[in-house]
Amino acid sequence: LAKTTQPISMDSYEGQEVNITCSHNNIATNDYITWYQQFPSQGPRFIIQGYKTKVTNEVASLFIPADRKSSTLSLPRVSLSDTAVYYCLVGPTGTASKLTFGTGTRLQVML
Amino acid sequence: NAGVMQNPRHLVRRRGQEARLRCSPVKGHSHVYWYRQLPEEGLKFMVYLQKENIIDESGMPKERFSAEFPKEGPSILRIQQVVRGDSAAYFCASSPDREAYGYTFGSGTRLTVV
Repeated sequence: LAKTTQPISMDSYEGQEVNITCSHNNIATNDYITWYQQFPSQGPRFIIQGYKTKVTNEVASLFIPADRKSSTLSLPRVSLSDTAVYYCLVGPTGTASKLTFGTGTRLQVML
Repeated sequence: NAGVMQNPRHLVRRRGQEARLRCSPVKGHSHVYWYRQLPEEGLKFMVYLQKENIIDESGMPKERFSAEFPKEGPSILRIQQVVRGDSAAYFCASSPDREAYGYTFGSGTRLTVV
């Protein structure tokens, strides 16, 4: 199982771009990289998923280098409402039991 | 279209009682997953069910815990003879198929054992 490492916490100010990097050195060929967001007292919310290069949706961008040993979640122009815990998960699709939610990165956005 | 609905949101049980947690998946989703989150920790997978079948229960404790997803009605996670260590947030997620592009999570049930 691919183990992930991400910063425990990050601080940012409103309007800034936030980049959260996740390391997954032993990622397997059939593993995808998925990011979730979790607010206090709520369940995780799917943000974005990718396999290689760059993926962008209305919420975020995901950058994955060629060796796939790391990935970066990019949140453009964060607001106070983006304060949450962000989880990086690595695993093949269709294998919920293989997906491990670590302790995530606690992002605090300030005025 | 409602998302994943979990009830109750909060549940208090005395040691030795039974806890029943309910999860109604997104309409049209036939795959349900249960996770447990202890304070200040990430979510841990417990069980994966498809209508009337348990697909993967590798994360379920061997005793006192059971789960079902009947043909009609919500999925139920049952914890018998609860102990203080069962206090946690229990989240349910659903997906339309096994290879889903991300799961939809409910808001969880916070179980407190006193």
